[in-house]
Amino acid sequence: EADIYQTPRYLVIGTGKKITLECSQTMGHDKMYWYQQDPGMELHLIHYSYGVNSTEKGDLSSESTVSRIRTEHFPLTLESARPSHTSQYLCASSESKRGGTRNEQFFGPGTRLTVL
Amino acid sequence: AQSVTQPDIHITVSEGASLELRCNYSYGATPYLFWYVQSPGQGLQLLLKYFSGDTLVQGIKGFEAEFKRSQSSFNLRKPSVHWSDAAEYFCAVGGAGYNTDKLIFGTGTRLQVFP
Repeated sequence: EADIYQTPRYLVIGTGKKITLECSQTMGHDKMYWYQQDPGMELHLIHYSYGVNSTEKGDLSSESTVSRIRTEHFPLTLESARPSHTSQYLCASSESKRGGTRNEQFFGPGTRLTVL
Repeated sequence: AQSVTQPDIHITVSEGASLELRCNYSYGATPYLFWYVQSPGQGLQLLLKYFSGDTLVQGIKGFEAEFKRSQSSFNLRKPSVHWSDAAEYFCAVGGAGYNTDKLIFGTGTRLQVFP
């Protein structure tokens, strides 16, 4: 079944640890996105990718980094986690269509990160 | 600047009552408009979308939305709310054209349903 997956779903970790949030999709989508969402707030785009070896920073500045070595995989890494990184991280993907993109994004279930 | 406004942070309705969630947007080009729903601890699920054509669009779970260009609005409606509709609802706007596909989200409206 075509879907988008995120692991772990919940993560509690101490300050200074390196973490990687995983995101994979089986829909063959070229475009993938990472959003940060604080409770009761809107989603803020922090990274996106238009395809393999393509990564761009989003509208909200983030200390995290991403990579896109395979089409289906778009992991997000924090080299040294801090309490200010506590948030929910949502991954999404969308299809590319020349002559007018349709923008519809499909979301994963999210990773709720707590940094102590 | 491109933006989405959802004026109602929190709405409470009784089960069986009608519902309207408001969304206003500011976008310089032809907008693509979306409504997503988020249940607690979950990701976002697309309810419906508007790209062009008929300004009244039907979505899943009995929801519909009407695009009104003159009012820059895309309000979400449901004639009879079910307890399972309690969730957070996000309106989003995107643009036409290749590589202009970032979505701008509103701050969301939390819907509470009383039995």
